[in-house]
Amino acid sequence: DIQMTQSPSILSASVGDRVTITCRASQSISTWLAWYQQKPGKAPKLLIYKASNLESGVPSRFSGSGSGTEFTLTISSLQPDDFATYYCQQYHNYPPWAFGQGTKVEIK
Amino acid sequence: EGQLVESGGGLVQPGGSLRLSCAASGFTFTNYAMNWVRQAPGKGLEWVSTISGSGFNTYYTDSVKGRFTISRDNSKNTLSLQMHSLRAEDTAVYYCAKARIPSGKHYFDYWGQGTLVTVSS
Repeated sequence: DIQMTQSPSILSASVGDRVTITCRASQSISTWLAWYQQKPGKAPKLLIYKASNLESGVPSRFSGSGSGTEFTLTISSLQPDDFATYYCQQYHNYPPWAFGQGTKVEIK
Repeated sequence: EGQLVESGGGLVQPGGSLRLSCAASGFTFTNYAMNWVRQAPGKGLEWVSTISGSGFNTYYTDSVKGRFTISRDNSKNTLSLQMHSLRAEDTAVYYCAKARIPSGKHYFDYWGQGTLVTVSS
């Protein structure tokens, strides 16, 4: 099974900061990677698919990059609505469709 | 835009059974694989099970194999998860999630609001 590891687990940042979250796969997954945002008590929301494709309706301050085993989610200028937990998910080899453990972005 | 509404969660004793349902609307249900993803209290997301659009292919995470059964009724736009021999570690919010393709390499483009399953005596 492919394991997904995110870093950091918790990230403290201020409004306006550029934020980067890293996701590493235990083996190559090409660009078969998605990113989700989850706020407390809410369902996850798709942000990025195929490593770098922005889902419709998602603000352009979100971007994704990477291929193989290393990927990043970048928020170019953190907004108050962006404080949430972010998950990566691989869909190259299945089952399982594996998620990372999550990165919580909190207010500094 | 699609809508997914889960139901059937609740409190059940260890060893008991529960059936979750997910009512889908706003899209052609049979065209997409459907999934169950769970989240234990304070924990991350865990994929549980997937069924292809036709219903022919099903997949399960190892910890639920032999205990959970995923199914779908394409005539009623309904996804189900029958859960038996429930354990305390099955306690979680269970989300119904839609794929963007009928089967295979997929991510989850739309999620329901979730239904809480609590396994406790």
